[in-house]
Amino acid sequence: IAGITQAPTSQILAAGRRMTLRCTQDMRHNAMYWYRQDLGLGLRLIHYSNTAGTTGKGEVPDGYSVSRANTDDFPLTLASAVPSQTSVYFCASSDGASDTQYFGPGTRLTVL
Amino acid sequence: GQSLEQPSEVTAVEGAIVQINCTYQTSGFYGLSWYQQHDGGAPTFLSYNALDGLEETGRFSSFLSRSDSYGYLLLQELQMKDSASYFCAYGQNFVFGPGTRLSVLP
Repeated sequence: IAGITQAPTSQILAAGRRMTLRCTQDMRHNAMYWYRQDLGLGLRLIHYSNTAGTTGKGEVPDGYSVSRANTDDFPLTLASAVPSQTSVYFCASSDGASDTQYFGPGTRLTVL
Repeated sequence: GQSLEQPSEVTAVEGAIVQINCTYQTSGFYGLSWYQQHDGGAPTFLSYNALDGLEETGRFSSFLSRSDSYGYLLLQELQMKDSASYFCAYGQNFVFGPGTRLSVLP
């Protein structure tokens, strides 16, 4: 693994279903983030984690949950998907010492 | 709260210089970053300003004026591959601007 990986690449999901988007980094970065990107709205922060064992809410946390059991993994869960959660989801990490974020390739999620 | 504003679109020709502006409102300050995103791709880091002044990285430069709550990204010697969206971003937990779509014409 080099950098940040996300899985799946894309997914079509029925409304009401539960879905977990996976994110793994191998850079030993303390901080990790989940964003959603919608046309015309830029990137909006969903949840973040400044270090393993801690998480925080971003701008648009409703309907999403995260966990940070270890440094490398930061999964995002949609407990009961709704069509408004159709978006491209990006995971990112940073070492905290600089303000550079490294982004994963993204997951394109469609909720029908 | 925190918010950033950018122009939605900018168009320029190959070889030209273009400036993308970013204004922000925030209760504190942790630096201003710039990211590039090509269609279908992930954002990639370009530049960061913690202090006032100009930071230069090859053809790209970024400027910050904290007293004016204003920054810009300067792209020189534009190439077709520079056609992309550019985002300014602020803060330790990263608030992003809405993005500026740059189109470079031949």
